[in-house]
Amino acid sequence: DAGVTQSPTHLIKTRGQQVTLRCSPKSGHDTVSWYQQALGQGPQFIFQYYEEEERQRGNFPDRFSGHQFPNYSSELNVNALLLGDSALYLCASSPGLRNEQFFGPGTRLTVL
Amino acid sequence: AQSVTQLGSHVSVSEGALVLLRCNYSSSVPPYLFWYVQYPNQGLQLLLKYTSAATLVKGINGFEAEFKKSETSFHLTKPSAHMSDAAEYFCAVPNDYKLSFGAGTTVTVRA
Repeated sequence: DAGVTQSPTHLIKTRGQQVTLRCSPKSGHDTVSWYQQALGQGPQFIFQYYEEEERQRGNFPDRFSGHQFPNYSSELNVNALLLGDSALYLCASSPGLRNEQFFGPGTRLTVL
Repeated sequence: AQSVTQLGSHVSVSEGALVLLRCNYSSSVPPYLFWYVQYPNQGLQLLLKYTSAATLVKGINGFEAEFKKSETSFHLTKPSAHMSDAAEYFCAVPNDYKLSFGAGTTVTVRA
């Protein structure tokens, strides 16, 4: 049983560019949440998708957007990249709206 | 909203010594609390979870945590540290099905 998978593993972009990160939830899970983890900090909640809709959102600007597909996979898009967007982006999934979430390995984004 | 505070950003222990990582939650009693571990260049792995069914919770890799309402704490312990325990540890509390994490504690194990 595959766990949560994310792609790509690493990504390097320059300021002003746009990036798309992808996540496939654990089998049987239909809810996906995205978190940003800056170096030396705990993960910060970005947003959560359930039934293909953004259910709730953390304190992140509109440059951060997402999507959930009918197969429950999800994308995180970040426009107009800033140096401060450099971080590990974590995807987590759960079967429905549950408190226990299972995390993927993350995508390391570096913005130069 | 619920929050957690982790005391001590870095803990260094000798192999075989007790590991104690501190986590305090905000005033109201949460229905759930979690400890996650993050090994270098990896995602988060659930160590254990508190669900109010029991105050002493046993997790994976020999870790356990005790929920103490009187101290608003959920400290993580392991009686005997192993080199493989070197990692970053996060305490987390759910708020409307999203997790709020502490700042993390990095554990270093000395041979």
